[in-house]
Amino acid sequence: KQEVTQIPAALSVPEGENLVLNCSFTDSAIYNLQWFRQDPGKGLTSLLLIQSSQREQTSGRLNASLDKSSGRSTLYIAASQPGDSATYLCAVSSEGEYGNKLVFGAGTILRVKS
Amino acid sequence: NAGVTQTPKFQVLKTGQSMTLQCAQDMNHNSMYWYRQDPGMGLRLIYYSASEGTTDKGEVPNGYNVSRLNKREFSLRLESAAPSQTSVYFCASFYRDYSNQPQHFGDGTRLSIL
Repeated sequence: KQEVTQIPAALSVPEGENLVLNCSFTDSAIYNLQWFRQDPGKGLTSLLLIQSSQREQTSGRLNASLDKSSGRSTLYIAASQPGDSATYLCAVSSEGEYGNKLVFGAGTILRVKS
Repeated sequence: NAGVTQTPKFQVLKTGQSMTLQCAQDMNHNSMYWYRQDPGMGLRLIYYSASEGTTDKGEVPNGYNVSRLNKREFSLRLESAAPSQTSVYFCASFYRDYSNQPQHFGDGTRLSIL
């Protein structure tokens, strides 16, 4: 059974700092990995999707990497801003009991202080 | 540009009552999903519908039923609500399985069962 773990559970940083969020998964037979952002009281917004054949994806100040063989992904946020404060969720899509349905980590709660 | 719309946004039920959560998407997506999100845990898949006319169980289907009414609408029904079903419920839609496209989420229904 695929399991996804995110470390740290919570993170508080001063504005302007570069930061890394970590995601690990137990079954390397994944189809893709996605990073989502969730604001309080809201749904999830897709940030980046990395296909299993890719090593990284970039969007603005965000860069996500994928090491499928070791079961790890990182989300790098450059020059953090207070508006980046949210919960960040990692999810993997893998072949298995539920087809390529997403299995989520519990998330990292990020607070960027001004 | 509504995306995925969920109703209601909030609901309080008594144990044993029944209710239906509604979800509609306007993106002409084929696949739709229902998840629940509990504190400290990632989203868990309840049921999904890969295409109009099909539904399948996810990780935590007990106590729930679903109906894919048409391509746009996918409803989740609690027949006899239990306190363990207190959660935030998210509906999501997806162009189609194995398309390497991100899922789109609604803003959630916050359900409390007393």
